[in-house]
Amino acid sequence: KAGVTQTPRYLIKTRGQQVTLSCSPISGHRSVSWYQQTPGQGLQFLFEYFSETQRNKGNFPGRFSGRQFSNSRSEMNVSTLELGDSALYLCASSLGVEQFFGPGTRLTVL
Amino acid sequence: AQSVAQPEDQVNVAEGNPLTVKCTYSVSGNPYLFWYVQYPNRGLQFLLKYITGDNLVKGSYGFEAEFNKSQTSFHLKKPSALVSDSALYFCAVRDDYGGSQGNLIFGKGTKLSVKP
Repeated sequence: KAGVTQTPRYLIKTRGQQVTLSCSPISGHRSVSWYQQTPGQGLQFLFEYFSETQRNKGNFPGRFSGRQFSNSRSEMNVSTLELGDSALYLCASSLGVEQFFGPGTRLTVL
Repeated sequence: AQSVAQPEDQVNVAEGNPLTVKCTYSVSGNPYLFWYVQYPNRGLQFLLKYITGDNLVKGSYGFEAEFNKSQTSFHLKKPSALVSDSALYFCAVRDDYGGSQGNLIFGKGTKLSVKP
């Protein structure tokens, strides 16, 4: 079975721009979660989607948003980018208790 | 609030020696605990989990973890370390409350360095 895939793997943007990241879960997995990883804050939960609905949300500003499509693929969007948004964004899919992570998208904001 | 602590930023071990990476947790109910490993420029790889049952959990790549309820610990262990085990290790607990229910709360990570 193919693992979780994320595109693009690397992105460079400037402050004020917006960005969209994509995640394709493992086939059959309906839950997709997003995490942000930074050296200072570590791994933090952003939000989770299940059957096209946001089921849970972490403590991030409204500039961070997401959606899930009927095929379970998910996108996250960050508007009005700030320097502090530079991070590795990880997507995870799950069928049960454990989550399986993709390779991440490295976002650099200049 | 639920939390996970990894008290060591870095653990250094010689190849062939046993290794332990420490994790303690704080939860209100019964914990769901996990270990993940991250290699440079890669995502997280699932190693093992504890939900219920036997306190010694066996996982991938020869790793195991011991759940200790009285000490609220879930230390990761391996009897004989390999150089290829060098990576960043994360302990996590499933959040069962509030807006992030069902998702993971991670420790800060422990860098494991195995020298030949």
